[in-house]
Amino acid sequence: SQQGEEDPQALSIQEGENATMNCSYKTSINNLQWYRQNSGRGLVHLILIRSNEREKHSGRLRVTLDTSKKSSSLLITASRAADTASYFCATDAKDNTGKLIFGQGTTLQVKP
Amino acid sequence: NAGVMQNPRHLVRRRGQEARLRCSPMKGHSHVYWYRQLPEEGLKFMVYLQKENIIDESGMPKERFSAEFPKEGPSILRIQQVVRGDSAAYFCASSPPDPRETQYFGPGTRLLVL
Repeated sequence: SQQGEEDPQALSIQEGENATMNCSYKTSINNLQWYRQNSGRGLVHLILIRSNEREKHSGRLRVTLDTSKKSSSLLITASRAADTASYFCATDAKDNTGKLIFGQGTTLQVKP
Repeated sequence: NAGVMQNPRHLVRRRGQEARLRCSPMKGHSHVYWYRQLPEEGLKFMVYLQKENIIDESGMPKERFSAEFPKEGPSILRIQQVVRGDSAAYFCASSPPDPRETQYFGPGTRLLVL
């Protein structure tokens, strides 16, 4: 099964609202990354949080990491229609090869 | 600094043909990763290469698939005798020498097998 699992699988909100997506994983990690993918496009890197960090901010994005619960959350504040996309968390394999293990993703729809 | 480049962006092949997908990493990046994304799914790791070396191919199907990253030129993912189940988006990512750093993804190649 996938290392990372996001929930919810799909989320629909109104513009201006906050969106929270969660990710759980199974094994120990060096870091966890969040990516965005617009429909039919490539992945855009959003933020990387290391295992010794608990919270990180980037613009309207806030990421938390709880290694004791093996979970992470991505919060998008004051959402915009342009935030409509799929969001994936990815954890690195502990073997330090750098390969990423992705979850199934959360599809976010922001209605104008 | 150009990002990760992949070509072609779209590729149509008939069953039994060969597909060649190319990836040029970001300047200064020496690690290349290939991932496959089936419709409505997340990405799955296929292979990790450094120049002239395959480091980890644990995600590659045992038959028909091969990858290389020569000393000169792009990394190539080769699929021989394609079948309909190979239809997917194939993404390449590159990272700097420390594999714990951020991976940057290319736009992907969307392969359609008829």
